[in-house]
Amino acid sequence: SQTIHQWPATLVQPVGSPLSLECTVEGTSNPNLYWYRQAAGRGLQLLFYSIGIDQISSEVPQNLSASRPQDRQFILSSKKLLLSDSGFYLCAWSVRLGHSPLHFGNGTRLTVT
Amino acid sequence: DQQVKQNSPSLSVQEGRISILNCDYTNSMFDYFLWYKKYPAEGPTFLISISSIKDKNEDGRFTVFLNKSAKHLSLHIVPSQPGDSAVYFCAATTQGGSEKLVFGKGTKLTVNP
Repeated sequence: SQTIHQWPATLVQPVGSPLSLECTVEGTSNPNLYWYRQAAGRGLQLLFYSIGIDQISSEVPQNLSASRPQDRQFILSSKKLLLSDSGFYLCAWSVRLGHSPLHFGNGTRLTVT
Repeated sequence: DQQVKQNSPSLSVQEGRISILNCDYTNSMFDYFLWYKKYPAEGPTFLISISSIKDKNEDGRFTVFLNKSAKHLSLHIVPSQPGDSAVYFCAATTQGGSEKLVFGKGTKLTVNP
């Protein structure tokens, strides 16, 4: 069966520090991969999605970047965190073709202080 | 522009009764709809989906109804259980696939024993 791992579960970082969140998927090949953010009191906002290695689409202009160095690895990064980057970050995967549900990891709670 | 709207931020029902969660959408090109359930500090879990060629889909205690003319879908939970207490998100996408999944802001369901 497919599983998705996301870490760390919680993170407290000072403003201006770098960020690296990692996500890996097991049990499937060529998945679509996604990074979402849920800010307090708001819905799920798509940040990035990837249909293949080194193929990243950005949905909103922001202080973050994403990379996919391997088929089942997705990384969310920032060179300098802002207070507004605080939130709950979720990685997800789906099969490549057609309509299919997203399957989410357990998320990372990021607090920028 | 919020394409998927969940107008009720919260809903409270008694155990054993029916829970009805509502969702409205504005984009007539949406053709695949999903419901997710989310517990605090966890990622959303896929519950049930429906294609626009159907008006009803059932899975155990969960039924999703789609009214395309009204651009409205609803999730019925019968009977409601305390473990159903969570935030429920509806989501929709077009033929473009899961990378264009649009989420509502969620409705917090509380099932009282």
